[in-house]
Amino acid sequence: LAKTTQPISMDSYEGQEVNITCSHNNIATNDYITWYQQFPSQGPRFIIQGYKTKVTNEVASLFIPADRKSSTLSLPRVSLSDTAVYYCLVGDIIRGSTLGRLYFGRGTQLTVWP
Amino acid sequence: ETGVTQTPRHLVMGMTNKKSLKCEQHLGHNAMYWYKQSAKKPLELMFVYNFKEQTENNSVPSRFSPECPNSSHLFLHLHTLQPEDSALYLCASSQAEGQSSPLHFGNGTRLTVT
Repeated sequence: LAKTTQPISMDSYEGQEVNITCSHNNIATNDYITWYQQFPSQGPRFIIQGYKTKVTNEVASLFIPADRKSSTLSLPRVSLSDTAVYYCLVGDIIRGSTLGRLYFGRGTQLTVWP
Repeated sequence: ETGVTQTPRHLVMGMTNKKSLKCEQHLGHNAMYWYKQSAKKPLELMFVYNFKEQTENNSVPSRFSPECPNSSHLFLHLHTLQPEDSALYLCASSQAEGQSSPLHFGNGTRLTVT
């Protein structure tokens, strides 16, 4: 399973754009990249998933360069309620591995200040 | 509301007690998972069920016993636990095994073993 490397923590202020980068040098051809958000005493919540280039939804954008060895989660205009741990996951879809078997890692603690 | 409900939210038990954690999903999913989240450690996958059949036991001690009577319900039976088993136990579901289906987590049961 491809492991990921993320910064342990990041700080930001309300209204700023936050970019969290994840390294996954051993990503395989069939791997997708998925990001989750977790608040204290709650389960992780799916944010966004992508394979290459750029994906955007109502919550975030995901940028994936051509070599796919890293990815960047972009949160536009963060608020205090975006303070949470963000996890980057990488995994295989063709060989039937489940998303549930992927390695969550320690994630990135994002703290948004007023 | 995540669509995945876990009860109880909090549980304190002695090492000689027997208790059960319950998980119910209202999303029509066919795969269900148990995870353990200890302080300062990554999420650890414990068990996976796909269409009620156990497909993964991630070297979990036998004092943890899962049960999946149908695709909507998942239990984790606990007996003779150790203090180091104190953690947040998270249940998740997905449509089926396969990464195109994101995981949906419950808010967990905070277990304290005294």
